[in-house]
Amino acid sequence: KQEVTQIPAALSVPEGENLVLNCSFTDSAIYNLQWFRQDPGKGLTSLLLIQSSQREQTSGRLNASLDKSSGRSTLYIAASQPGDSATYLCAVNGYSTLTFGKGTMLLVSP
Amino acid sequence: NAGVTQTPKFQVLKTGQSMTLQCAQDMNHEYMSWYRQDPGMGLRLIHYSVGAGITDQGEVPNGYNVSRSTTEDFPLRLLSAAPSQTSVYFCASSYSIGSAAGELFFGEGSRLTVL
Repeated sequence: KQEVTQIPAALSVPEGENLVLNCSFTDSAIYNLQWFRQDPGKGLTSLLLIQSSQREQTSGRLNASLDKSSGRSTLYIAASQPGDSATYLCAVNGYSTLTFGKGTMLLVSP
Repeated sequence: NAGVTQTPKFQVLKTGQSMTLQCAQDMNHEYMSWYRQDPGMGLRLIHYSVGAGITDQGEVPNGYNVSRSTTEDFPLRLLSAAPSQTSVYFCASSYSIGSAAGELFFGEGSRLTVL
């Protein structure tokens, strides 16, 4: 059974810092990996999707990498802003289901 | 373009009552799914569908029923509500599954309390 772990569970940083969120998974037989953002009381918003054949994807200040063989992905956030405060979840895609990590709660203080 | 629409947003039930959570998407997605999100448990898959007329169970299907009569709609039925079903429910859809899977789009969630 696929298991997804996200470290750290919570992170507090001052505005302007660069930061890295980690995601690890136990079964490397995945089709893709997706990073999401969830604001309190809201649904999940897709940030980046990395196919299993790709090494990284970039969108603005966000960069996600994937090392399928070692079962790891990182989400790099450059120059963090208070508006980045949210919970970040990663999910790995098997054939018909996604398995989610429990998320990293990020707080960026002004 | 509305994306994934869930109704109702909030619902309070008494133990033993039944109800249906509605989910509709307007993106012509083949894959639709229902998750529940509980503190400390993360998101867990309840049921999913890979196309009209095709459904399958996820990780926590007991007490829930689904059907997929059209591409657009994927309702989730609670047969006899129990306090353990108090949760936030999310519907999600994507273009396809497996190697052709694209981004997963989520609805805003339905917050259910069972007394």
